[in-house]
Amino acid sequence: NAGVTQTPKFQVLKTGQSMTLQCAQDMNHEYMSWYRQDPGMGLRLIHYSVGAGITDQGEVPNGYNVSRSTTEDFPLRLLSAAPSQTSVYFCASSYSPTGTDTQYFGPGTRLTVL
Amino acid sequence: AQTVTQSQPEMSVQEAETVTLSCTYDTSESDYYLFWYKQPPSRQMILVIRQEAYKQQNATENRFSVNFQKAAKSFSLKISDSQLGDAAMYFCALYNAGNMLTFGGGTRLMVKP
Repeated sequence: NAGVTQTPKFQVLKTGQSMTLQCAQDMNHEYMSWYRQDPGMGLRLIHYSVGAGITDQGEVPNGYNVSRSTTEDFPLRLLSAAPSQTSVYFCASSYSPTGTDTQYFGPGTRLTVL
Repeated sequence: AQTVTQSQPEMSVQEAETVTLSCTYDTSESDYYLFWYKQPPSRQMILVIRQEAYKQQNATENRFSVNFQKAAKSFSLKISDSQLGDAAMYFCALYNAGNMLTFGGGTRLMVKP
């Protein structure tokens, strides 16, 4: 099993550009989520999904869109990048649809918006 | 809203000694889960230990144990026989039935040889 994979590892965008961060898991997990980690802070939940076709907002959803068309994939779209979105982004998944089980994290994507 | 607070930005421990990392939290839920995650320089988030709020017994995983004080809303992590590989950022996290996992600000643990 590859676990949770994220691409790209690094990305530089200009203000106003859009892009999609990819996340995939091969563990047949129901629950998937996206977090951002800013310097000196813990992770904050952006969006999450409890199964294919179901998504919901987390703590900091503004400026981001998600979709869950398959169990395996959970892409995060930045609609119009802003410098405030410079951060490290983590995708996570867990078997339990309620997320109470162990969450497995991807390696992260470091995003810089100029 | 639920909050998680880690009051120690940095901690230092001598190799083979014991260290305790503090965490306090606030939630209005009665059913929730608490976690400690380790984040080494590679940035990978690694689950260290997990505690269900309904269980009175403190969770243990090898050299890692917790002191869960539900009434005081405290969840500290004790690392025994510290090793150089334990050096990392440690995050306390709280999960409740609202599908939200909330993290504290983290504690950087340094291990001196």
